[in-house]
Amino acid sequence: GAGVSQSPSNKVTEKGKDVELRCDPISGHTALYWYRQSLGQGLEFLIYFQGNSAPDKSGLPSDRFSAERTGGSVSTLTIQRTQQEDSAVYLCASSLGVAASGNTIYFGEGSWLTVV
Amino acid sequence: SQQGEEDPQALSIQEGENATMNCSYKTSINNLQWYRQNSGRGLVHLILIRSNEREKHSGRLRVTLDTSKKSSSLLITASRAADTASYFCATDVSSGNTGKLIFGQGTTLQVKP
Repeated sequence: GAGVSQSPSNKVTEKGKDVELRCDPISGHTALYWYRQSLGQGLEFLIYFQGNSAPDKSGLPSDRFSAERTGGSVSTLTIQRTQQEDSAVYLCASSLGVAASGNTIYFGEGSWLTVV
Repeated sequence: SQQGEEDPQALSIQEGENATMNCSYKTSINNLQWYRQNSGRGLVHLILIRSNEREKHSGRLRVTLDTSKKSSSLLITASRAADTASYFCATDVSSGNTGKLIFGQGTTLQVKP
């Protein structure tokens, strides 16, 4: 696709349920990032993929959060047993190479998660 | 603690005025990027400045970088109402093999027509 695609765009779930958020990066981009943004706040880094491996998953808040990437393309962020504090926008981004090499990262429109 | 912190948190100006936003960071970097976000949607890349550069221009945008002070500024000249958005700086970390960008808290800019 032309840009980073995320689904669902909006998700309301009950506390305790599991949710899956999907990210389809720009074709050919080897690096993929997940960030979380609470209302009116900055972006909180969650995890970074290079290909299918995750060299840095230091931002995952707890063991309820996990992410995988298959085929060097689509990534899924899974939140188990959701809590109200998980409510946020989950932003996915991709880049041709690592950001540290000066590559621009391109963001999707985000998945708005509300836990009630 | 945050790698990047923007100042001010909020800025309100009249159309036609210049807007200056500052960013400070803590560790050595390879490059610093500025992004814009409209109403909580996805971020859009504005400009990248490398650690060996001091100033960069793109249209009405001017970015400076002072690595000795670990700070950067974004200047928007002749602002327009359409410039109303949140602006974030993002830095990498030059040590280690981490590929992530760390974002600051952002500056919310309001340009009044």
